[in-house]
Amino acid sequence: GENVEQHPSTLSVQEGDSAVIKCTYSDSASNYFPWYKQELGKGPQLIIDIRSNVGEKKDQRIAVTLNKTAKHFSLHITETQPEDSAVYFCAAPPFSSNTGKLIFGQGTTLQVKP
Amino acid sequence: KAGVTQTPRYLIKTRGQQVTLSCSPISGHRSVSWYQQTPGQGLQFLFEYFSETQRNKGNFPGRFSGRQFSNSRSEMNVSTLELGDSALYLCASSFGQGDEKLFFGSGTQLSVL
Repeated sequence: GENVEQHPSTLSVQEGDSAVIKCTYSDSASNYFPWYKQELGKGPQLIIDIRSNVGEKKDQRIAVTLNKTAKHFSLHITETQPEDSAVYFCAAPPFSSNTGKLIFGQGTTLQVKP
Repeated sequence: KAGVTQTPRYLIKTRGQQVTLSCSPISGHRSVSWYQQTPGQGLQFLFEYFSETQRNKGNFPGRFSGRQFSNSRSEMNVSTLELGDSALYLCASSFGQGDEKLFFGSGTQLSVL
């Protein structure tokens, strides 16, 4: 079935290091790939997204890269800070409609150690 | 512009009761989606509303229902609550039916005892 697989499930880095989270998707027709950040007690917040007509998008310390051939996309956070600690979700549009507008990965808990 | 507003933030109910959760989308957004979030299952799609009509529905039992009003505000209802319904219920709004960019509220944390 269709799904979005996200790795790793947990990631611990030292402050200032880079963090990379990777997702793979199954529907080759998918053309929109967002990343969400969820802090404790809050809902997921859209932090960056990319459409399939570009291979990379950057916004300050975060970037997303897309490899349509391999059907995977990644979130890159550089110069990590303690406030980057959160759960990150990738998502992609599903093929079938009974999974909503987006199907989400299982999440990555990022811990940035000061 | 105000974000997505969900009320209440917390709810404690007992088995067999019913509950109604409310969601006000971002002004101008007409599509509202509901998700259930649990530690084991992640984000699971419940349903989506646009122009007061349910457009899509996830694989949840009929005890889960919802509606959307003419001002785009939405409610979801869970009847005959079960322990397994304990979860964070998230509402997300988007501009139109075909718009995949979702903006989430802070959710309603439901605990069923």
